[in-house]
Amino acid sequence: EVVLTQSPGTLSLSPGERATLSCRASQSISSSYLAWYQQKPGQAPRLLIYTTSSRATGIPDRFSGSGSGTDFTLTISRLEPEDFAVYYCQQYGITSYSFGQGTKLEI
Amino acid sequence: QVQLQESGPGLVKPSETLSLTCTVSGGSIRSYYWMWIRQSPGKELEWVGYIYDTGKANYNPSLKSRVTISVDASKNLLSLKLSSVTAADTAVYFCARGGDYGDRRYFDLWGRGSLVTVSS
Repeated sequence: EVVLTQSPGTLSLSPGERATLSCRASQSISSSYLAWYQQKPGQAPRLLIYTTSSRATGIPDRFSGSGSGTDFTLTISRLEPEDFAVYYCQQYGITSYSFGQGTKLEI
Repeated sequence: QVQLQESGPGLVKPSETLSLTCTVSGGSIRSYYWMWIRQSPGKELEWVGYIYDTGKANYNPSLKSRVTISVDASKNLLSLKLSSVTAADTAVYFCARGGDYGDRRYFDLWGRGSLVTVSS
């Protein structure tokens, strides 16, 4: 099973700043198999990025994804107040899936 | 606009079977993969299993012996059954949809979740 480790656990930034979130896989995975989600308290996760760098429908272009092999990154170019939430990476492993433990982005 | 709504008992006794339903409204259940994912209080997300509209299912190996996912395409309903539950199965259970054209690599639509507590 592929284990995803996200860092940092908590990221404290201000609106207007740039956020860089990391997701490291325990073994190399295809860039086609990596997605990112945003979750706010009491809500379901929302798909942001799929296949490493494709934005989901309706996601603003301040969100971008990159990476390959074992290292993947979610970047938010200019933080808006509504971006403060928990972010998860997720990988597809043909017969199973795994999620990272999450990065909390706080003001 | 497609929406997913989970429903079922909020409290289940240890050793009994957890049963949840997911109603898909505003669209068809056909040609998609449908997932169950759970989130224990304050913890990360865990994939439970998926099913296609044909009934083909696949489960998390750690839960496989206790999980059954089924689909009723005529009623746009999904169901989840988890047997022999313990307190460790206490979680919010989400149903979610895979991507378009049978893409099961990611989940582009989620229900709001249903909290299930296992307690006597």
